[in-house]
Amino acid sequence: AQRVTQPEKLLSVFKGAPVELKCNYSYSGSPELFWYVQYSRQRLQLLLRHISRESIKGFTADLNKGETSFHLKKPFAQEEDSAMYYCALRTGFQKLVFGTGTRLLVSP
Amino acid sequence: DTAVSQTPKYLVTQMGNDKSIKCEQNLGHDTMYWYKQDSKKFLKIMFSYNNKELIINETVPNRFSPKSPDKAHLNLHINSLELGDSAVYFCASSQALAKATGELFFGEGSRLTVL
Repeated sequence: AQRVTQPEKLLSVFKGAPVELKCNYSYSGSPELFWYVQYSRQRLQLLLRHISRESIKGFTADLNKGETSFHLKKPFAQEEDSAMYYCALRTGFQKLVFGTGTRLLVSP
Repeated sequence: DTAVSQTPKYLVTQMGNDKSIKCEQNLGHDTMYWYKQDSKKFLKIMFSYNNKELIINETVPNRFSPKSPDKAHLNLHINSLELGDSAVYFCASSQALAKATGELFFGEGSRLTVL
C-alpha cells in the first residue's frame, strides 16, 4: 500500500531552536518524495523535492530508504516558518499521495 | 497573474442539493487535479485529467463528476450533497506527464459546507 505518515499533528518550538518534521512512507516502488508548505492565507506550494537535494529557506530533507523516511529539518527555526507542512510521495502518473500534515508553530 | 483559480471560495448549501466548483489554470499545464481536504487536514486525490482525458479516478462516489471542457479547465460537479461532503476542495495543475517534475500548483481552495 502507498502511504505517507506524519506522526505529529502539531510541532511547537521557540525561535532559534532546531526543527525536525517527521515523515515516513510505505511504497514498493522507487520513491520520489516532496515537502509542500502552506503558509497562513497562502496556497499550498512545493518547498523541496528529494531528487534536487537542495536547501530551501534553510530546510533540508534526506531520503533514507532503509528507514523509509524523509524528515524535514532546519537548524534554527524562524517565526516565518510557522505553517502547515505536508510530506508527499509520488506514485506514478503524476499522482501525489499526501501525509496528514504537521502544523509548525514557531514562537518568539 | 498566472495561477490556478477556483470559484467559489466558499459554498454553503443544504443536503440533497447539486453544486459545482470551477477551476481554471493559465499556466499552460496539461494535467489538472481535484483534491479533497477533510476536517483533519488530510489531502486526498480525487481525480486527475491529462489534456481533457481522465487518468486518475480514485474511489469517489458517483455523485462526484469532473468535467474538463479544455485542458485549462477542470470543473467538479457534485450531486445530492451529503453532510460528509463538507470539506475544502483543491484544484491543482502540473506539467504534462512526460515532463512531470512532481510539482503541483494549487488553487486557493473552495470550502464547501453542507447543512
